[in-house]
Amino acid sequence: AQSVTQPDIHITVSEGASLELRCNYSYGATPYLFWYVQSPGQGLQLLLKYFSGDTLVQGIKGFEAEFKRSQSSFNLRKPSVHWSDAAEYFCAVGAAGLLVSGSARQLTFGSGTQLTVLP
Amino acid sequence: KAGVTQTPRYLIKTRGQQVTLSCSPISGHRSVSWYQQTPGQGLQFLFEYFSETQRNKGNFPGRFSGRQFSNSRSEMNVSTLELGDSALYLCASSLEGLNEKLFFGSGTQLSVL
Repeated sequence: AQSVTQPDIHITVSEGASLELRCNYSYGATPYLFWYVQSPGQGLQLLLKYFSGDTLVQGIKGFEAEFKRSQSSFNLRKPSVHWSDAAEYFCAVGAAGLLVSGSARQLTFGSGTQLTVLP
Repeated sequence: KAGVTQTPRYLIKTRGQQVTLSCSPISGHRSVSWYQQTPGQGLQFLFEYFSETQRNKGNFPGRFSGRQFSNSRSEMNVSTLELGDSALYLCASSLEGLNEKLFFGSGTQLSVL
């Protein structure tokens, strides 16, 4: 079974500083990887996804993530954080091998990282 | 294009009651998935429907059920509510395709007293 670990429950950064949120996954085959963001009282918004190809993925709002198979990691980065980035961030893995049956919609999420941005 | 709409936004029930939550997907989306979000367990997959058929189910008891209508709208039902069912229930819709992403609604916050 797949699993996702986000080791940092809470991260605090100053506005303008760089950001890296860690994500490690466990899956026996090629994973499909996602980063979602959730603001209070809201649903999840997709920041970026990795299916195949280039291991450095660009997303919305200036975020990027790098897939490192050797480290089973998919860390999210942003060079300069804005106050509006304060939210909870979730890494998720989908089972690529089950795509034919549509089970790519069955995502396994990490426990989330709460980001606080200081002025 | 309207996003995923979930109703009601908030719901308060008592133990033993049952509840029905509704989800209207984005127009043209035929896949609807449901997730439960709690502080303790995080985000967990409940089930997915496509063309009125349940295609996949997560590890939840039979008290949790769902259905999808011909217009792709979906409902989920929880019977004999327990305190532990208090959660944010999120619905997501998507197109059918290998690379199609999930679009999430804002959720229904269910409180069981």
